Amino acid sequence: EAGVVQSPRYKIIEKKQPVAFWCNPISGHNTLYWYRQNLGQGPELLIRYENEEAVDDSQLPKDRFSAERLKGVDSTLKIQPAELGDSAVYLCASSFAGRGELFFGEGSRLTVL
Amino acid sequence: GESVGLHLPTLSVQEGDNSIINCAYSNSASDYFIWYKQESGKGPQFIIDIRSNMDKRQGQRVTVLLNKTVKHLSLQIAATQPGDSAVYFCAENAYNQGGKLIFGQGTELSVKP
Repeated sequence: EAGVVQSPRYKIIEKKQPVAFWCNPISGHNTLYWYRQNLGQGPELLIRYENEEAVDDSQLPKDRFSAERLKGVDSTLKIQPAELGDSAVYLCASSFAGRGELFFGEGSRLTVL
Repeated sequence: GESVGLHLPTLSVQEGDNSIINCAYSNSASDYFIWYKQESGKGPQFIIDIRSNMDKRQGQRVTVLLNKTVKHLSLQIAATQPGDSAVYFCAENAYNQGGKLIFGQGTELSVKP
């Protein structure tokens, strides 16, 4: 069974440029999460989806970050414009029914210059 | 500019010894806990979980202990192997936070052959 798939794995951009990350969760998992992980720290939740609905986006910096999960399957996280402090690993995870074990992808490492 | 991350707590053990990694959690309403292992350049990988109605759970070479009185969690790894070298995170989940998984800082385990 395929795990959570993320792309791109690495992205280097200049500040003020836009960037987008894509995630395909495990088949059948209705809950999808985007986490941000700064160097040397644990992941922090940005947004959680139950099917198409964003049920927790309280930690998402809405002035520059946006996310969508239009058909309740794959999801895109966008940053526009990127700032130096956005350099981090963006992790996507999925789970069945929103509780229990989260399955993580390999992450997308963003470097903003 | 380059961001500097926090220094993770580090545990260094000899191959074959037992390892104990500790974690203090913050929310007395947390009722589900997970230990994740994260190798360099990869996403967190599930190791073992425990619910608050238990105080101990065993897996293959791993044991999780939960002390709700002092809000403390530990992960014990028996006969530690070089492949166990990674960063280990505890995570807590509480119904009063909408099921959001909150990660601790992490501990870096280094196994010397």
